[in-house]
Order: sequence, then structure tokens, then C-alpha cells
Amino acid sequence: DVKVTQSSRYLVKRTGEKVFLECVQDMDHENMFWYRQDPGLGLRLIYFSYDVKMKEKGDIPEGYSVSREKKERFSLILESASTNQTSMYLCASSPGTNIYEQYFGPGTRLTVT
Amino acid sequence: AQSVSQHNHHVILSEAASLELGCNYSYGGTVNLFWYVQYPGQHLQLLLKYFSGDPLVKGIKGFEAEFIKSKFSFNLRKPSVQWSDTAEYFCAVNRKGGGFKTIFGAGTRLFVKA
Repeated sequence: DVKVTQSSRYLVKRTGEKVFLECVQDMDHENMFWYRQDPGLGLRLIYFSYDVKMKEKGDIPEGYSVSREKKERFSLILESASTNQTSMYLCASSPGTNIYEQYFGPGTRLTVT
Repeated sequence: AQSVSQHNHHVILSEAASLELGCNYSYGGTVNLFWYVQYPGQHLQLLLKYFSGDPLVKGIKGFEAEFIKSKFSFNLRKPSVQWSDTAEYFCAVNRKGGGFKTIFGAGTRLFVKA
């Protein structure tokens, strides 16, 4: 059973803070993803990684960076949090070089005040 | 640009009613298609998927979806909904062999009245 875990379910940060969101998967998946989920907008891809130290920008990368030093871990970094980054952040992983179904973590609800 | 449209943002049904949620995508090539579901307070999880073959796909909990290539559609159906089907449903598409990006629709919130 694939397990994707995220470091926090709820997080409250102040404007300008640096924020780290961590994601770990236990199924040796090659691909990992960060999305944000906003009402009426669905899931929008921020970044994805198809291998260790490899990353690709998604649709909304501005204001975010990522790090993948180990295969099982994919971190999302908000360099200087802003109120418009208040959202639900979902991590996902998938196996293989072609996309299969993605397995999602429980999400982190981030509030930036 | 590739996009996915879900026709309804909110759907309210009574138990035992039939369900059909519309999904259309804009990409003209060969695609993989998915429906995901997010029950209240739970992870997003895969409901069903289509890669190739029979265009009528059966998923968990009595859901099915039909891929109609000529209409660029992948509608989700269930003949008789239950209160426990209350959830948000997302249609998603990615291109075969075209990379790692999956495009999600905006989601449809289904509320089933007991």
C-alpha cells in the first residue's frame, strides 16, 4: 500500500517567513509532485521531479522552489511567504517513466497571515 | 494549452438518484484519463482510470466512466448514489508519452441528501 506523508496537516506562518513543506513516499517512486488546491480552481501543478536532484516547473512555480536530495523526499519551499500563498498543498508520487495514477498525501493547509 | 473542463461545480442529489458528471479535455492527441475523489477530510484517491482498450471503464464503489474520443469526453456515472458518495470529484488528463504533467479539472462537489 503506497504511503505518501506530509510533515504537517496545518501550518500558520507570517508574511515574509521562509516555509518548508516536506513530503515522503515509501514506494520507491521516481516521480513526485507538488500541487496547490484552491476552491473552484482544482489542483494546479507547482513543481514536479522525475529523479533525484531533477525538477521541472509546473504551471504556477512563481514564489516557490523545491528540493529533492533523496528519492523518497520532495520538499516545497516558500522563500518569502505571502498571503496569496494561503492554500492547501498536496504532494503526490507516481511510478515509472510514464505517468501512471498518482498517489496523494493528506495535504498541508497553509495559512499565511 | 491543454485544459480539462468539468461542467458542474456543485451537484446535489437525493439518495438512489443517478449521477453523471461531465468532463471534457482539450488535447487532441492520445491521452490517459482519470477520475479522482476526495471524501471529506480524506486524501485524494483514484476512482478509476483509462489508458486504452474498452472505453467503458469500471472503478470502485460502483462508478464507471465512458471515454468518447470524438467528443473529447470522459464522463463519470453511477446508477444509484448513496449518502457516502458525498465528496469532491476531479477529472484529470495526461498525454501519453508526453511528459509528467497531469492536468486536473476544477472539481465537482457532490452532495447526496439522505
